[in-house]
Amino acid sequence: NAGVIQTPRHKVTGKGQEATLWCEPISGHSAVFWYRQTIVQGLEFLTYFRNQAPIDDSGMPKERFSAQMPNQSHSTLKIQSTQPQDSAVYLCASSQGGQGGNERLFFGHGTKLSVL
Amino acid sequence: GQQVQQSPTSLVLQEGENAELQCNFSTSLNSMQWFYQRPGGSLISVFYNPSGTKQSGRLTSTTVIKERRSSLHISSSQITDSGTYLCAMEPPSGSWQLIFGSGTQLTVMP
Repeated sequence: NAGVIQTPRHKVTGKGQEATLWCEPISGHSAVFWYRQTIVQGLEFLTYFRNQAPIDDSGMPKERFSAQMPNQSHSTLKIQSTQPQDSAVYLCASSQGGQGGNERLFFGHGTKLSVL
Repeated sequence: GQQVQQSPTSLVLQEGENAELQCNFSTSLNSMQWFYQRPGGSLISVFYNPSGTKQSGRLTSTTVIKERRSSLHISSSQITDSGTYLCAMEPPSGSWQLIFGSGTQLTVMP
């Protein structure tokens, strides 16, 4: 079990460019979460999929951010026209998906996005 | 205001000392979890959905959901325990998202 895999580990973009972040959840896990971590704001929820369907995207900035889960083995987070304030570590997590917060969440190592 | 308050913000111990980390929630919650994170590392689930007292090795979690509080006790701390300990709550809205505290940064000195 390789755990949750996130690629790339580091991404540097110029202001206004697009960034796509990838996440491969643990095989068999039906719930996938995206969080963002910064020193100032800490950990913030972005969005959540269950069985590939988007369930809650209340944490996603309405403009420029989008997330998809085209199949059970990967999810993507896309940021269009990146801005310096988007710089953060983007964390993906998965869980078995049966019991909400009552179950163990497994996090990937994150993608550190730096927008210059 | 912050829904999850952690204390202390940072803690420095000598190896072998015990640590007590606190987490308080300003609103009702469905459940909570404790995580551990090394600098630059991923979050590792330490306890999830704890109620009452649970122990895992040198770590003990004591949680009272109705009183909106949880504590994490680390006994006989080791240098490798150094890192950030975060607690998180699931609000009763049923959205499954976790709301995290700011963390306690623990440093264990030799």
